[in-house]
Amino acid sequence: GAVVSQHPSWVICKSGTSVKIECRSLDFQATTMFWYRQFPKQSLMLMATSNEGSKATYEQGVEKDKFLINHASLTLSTLTVTSAHPEDSSFYICSAKMVPKAADTQYFGPGTRLTVL
Amino acid sequence: GQSLEQPSEVTAVEGAIVQINCTYQTSGFYGLSWYQQHDGGAPTFLSYNALDGLEETGRFSSFLSRSDSYGYLLLQELQMKDSASYFCAVIKAAGNKLTFGGGTRVLVKP
Repeated sequence: GAVVSQHPSWVICKSGTSVKIECRSLDFQATTMFWYRQFPKQSLMLMATSNEGSKATYEQGVEKDKFLINHASLTLSTLTVTSAHPEDSSFYICSAKMVPKAADTQYFGPGTRLTVL
Repeated sequence: GQSLEQPSEVTAVEGAIVQINCTYQTSGFYGLSWYQQHDGGAPTFLSYNALDGLEETGRFSSFLSRSDSYGYLLLQELQMKDSASYFCAVIKAAGNKLTFGGGTRVLVKP
């Protein structure tokens, strides 16, 4: 159990286009999902916390108008990278916190590799 | 602010024991987690410590000392498949957000 999927697993797009990444909890409900970005050989950096039915909370330095997050249901959160540029190329990973579950466990999706040409 | 320090790389042979230390500075500390990540893959949960002491899960154990703001992950009977990056992560009470350390790349040699 506790499987999190992401779609697409990889995407290549032209500069200036928008890309939507989906994060789904397949066999559990998640009131809270988290979005991370990871550059090669670096750590995961939290971008935002996505709460079902409310606005996402963004970390300092993350542009909310550039990285649009929607958490429409207890099993789905989406991240849209708007007007993508080459510097947005990265590995985007979501995680989901099971309800109800202690704070200790987040289940990670397999990640989406975004390449902006 | 908050910060986590862990060694960048460790090399060991099969069957050996590796200890990855993690020191942290943060306010509102709730617990310390450890994650494993193979190249190109997603992080997978290994262990979690909220209280002082040792937690053992098979070949992997994790330790926490809240008074010293320090923890470690112990990998025993190393196998080739254990070659991966290992991240410590602090959980803060507010929002249950994870803040990751820089990661330790473990290379297991025959």
